[in-house]
Amino acid sequence: GAVVSQHPSWVICKSGTSVKIECRSLDFQATTMFWYRQFPKQSLMLMATSNEGSKATYEQGVEKDKFLINHASLTLSTLTVTSAHPEDSSFYICSARTGGGSSYEQYFGPGTRLTVT
Amino acid sequence: AQTVTQSQPEMSVQEAETVTLSCTYDTSESDYYLFWYKQPPSRQMILVIRQEAYKQQNATENRFSVNFQKAAKSFSLKISDSQLGDAAMYFCSRADSGNTPLVFGKGTRLSVIA
Repeated sequence: GAVVSQHPSWVICKSGTSVKIECRSLDFQATTMFWYRQFPKQSLMLMATSNEGSKATYEQGVEKDKFLINHASLTLSTLTVTSAHPEDSSFYICSARTGGGSSYEQYFGPGTRLTVT
Repeated sequence: AQTVTQSQPEMSVQEAETVTLSCTYDTSESDYYLFWYKQPPSRQMILVIRQEAYKQQNATENRFSVNFQKAAKSFSLKISDSQLGDAAMYFCSRADSGNTPLVFGKGTRLSVIA
């Protein structure tokens, strides 16, 4: 149980275009989803927290107009990188947390490698 | 800022030996959870072990165990009988009470030598 999927796993796009990454909780309802960014050989950097049906909360320094997050249902959150530039190339990881109980565990998706040319 | 610190960027261990990865953290909360995650070359984050702060007993999962020292805010991971498949990045993380996200340390890259 507690499986999180991401699609696509790898995407290449041209500079100036937008790309959407989907994050789905397959066998549980995720009231909260998190989006992380990871550069090579570095740790996960939290970008934003999204709760179903409400606006995402962005971390300081993350451009909300560039990284659009939508959490429209209890099983789906999307991250859209708008007007992508080569410096946006990175590994993006989503995670999900159930709303019930006392568990603070986050279940992670397999990640999406974004390359902007 | 409330942080998680991993002071060992890289560690190595001989196969079948034991290795301990260090982690310290800072929090003003009394209720929180601590986790060790493994990230192999596939980059999929895998939960290794978790520890509830209110529990005094150290968590164990097969070959993996922790030494949780709450007063010292220390949470080290011990891997016994190391296997080649244990080679990965290991991240220590903390989640405070409520719906706060995990805070990660910078990670420790573990190499296992055959």
